[in-house]
Amino acid sequence: ETGVTQSPTHLIKTRGQQVTLRCSSQSGHNTVSWYQQALGQGPQFIFQYYREEENGRGNFPPRFSGLQFPNYSSELNVNALELDDSALYLCASSLQGQPQHFGDGTRLSIL
Amino acid sequence: EDQVTQSPEALRLQEGESSSLNCSYTVSGLRGLFWYRQDPGKGPEFLFTLYSAGEEKEKERLKATLTKKESFLHITAPKPEDSATYLCAVQELMDSNYQLIWGAGTKLIIKP
Repeated sequence: ETGVTQSPTHLIKTRGQQVTLRCSSQSGHNTVSWYQQALGQGPQFIFQYYREEENGRGNFPPRFSGLQFPNYSSELNVNALELDDSALYLCASSLQGQPQHFGDGTRLSIL
Repeated sequence: EDQVTQSPEALRLQEGESSSLNCSYTVSGLRGLFWYRQDPGKGPEFLFTLYSAGEEKEKERLKATLTKKESFLHITAPKPEDSATYLCAVQELMDSNYQLIWGAGTKLIIKP
């Protein structure tokens, strides 16, 4: 059974740029959730996709957007990067309503 | 406002010294409470789900319990490899998104 994989593992961008982060779900999972985790904090919910539709969104601006593909892999896109966007971005997959299983995240640094 | 608070923020124990971590929550209705372990540079690793007050789950040296206001993660005779940050999260009953609301975690250090 393949777990959740995220790419890239690390990324450095400058303010104003755009970034795309990728996530491959665990086999059989139809739901993907994205989280932002600042250092020393718990994850903050960005949004969730269920069967290719956005199924809920946290308190993040519209410049955070996403996609889920027919194979249930997913992308997180962030436009107009700000310094405060520096964080660990985590993807989690699950069956709807079941415990979420996480990848090891993408560490995004904004200069 | 829904909240999840974990205490203590950090805990240092000697190997073999048992203790408990606390997770208190305020939600309008609890669908489930989740415990995860997170190692440095890694994503959270699922440990337990608890659904109703009085429920208990065990895995090796860890035991999670749930009341109507809080959950405890008991660690019995810990080993250095149990060192990690332990995160607690809740799902609200009326939330169709199954969104997880997280605490800030307890950093556990077990000294040999």
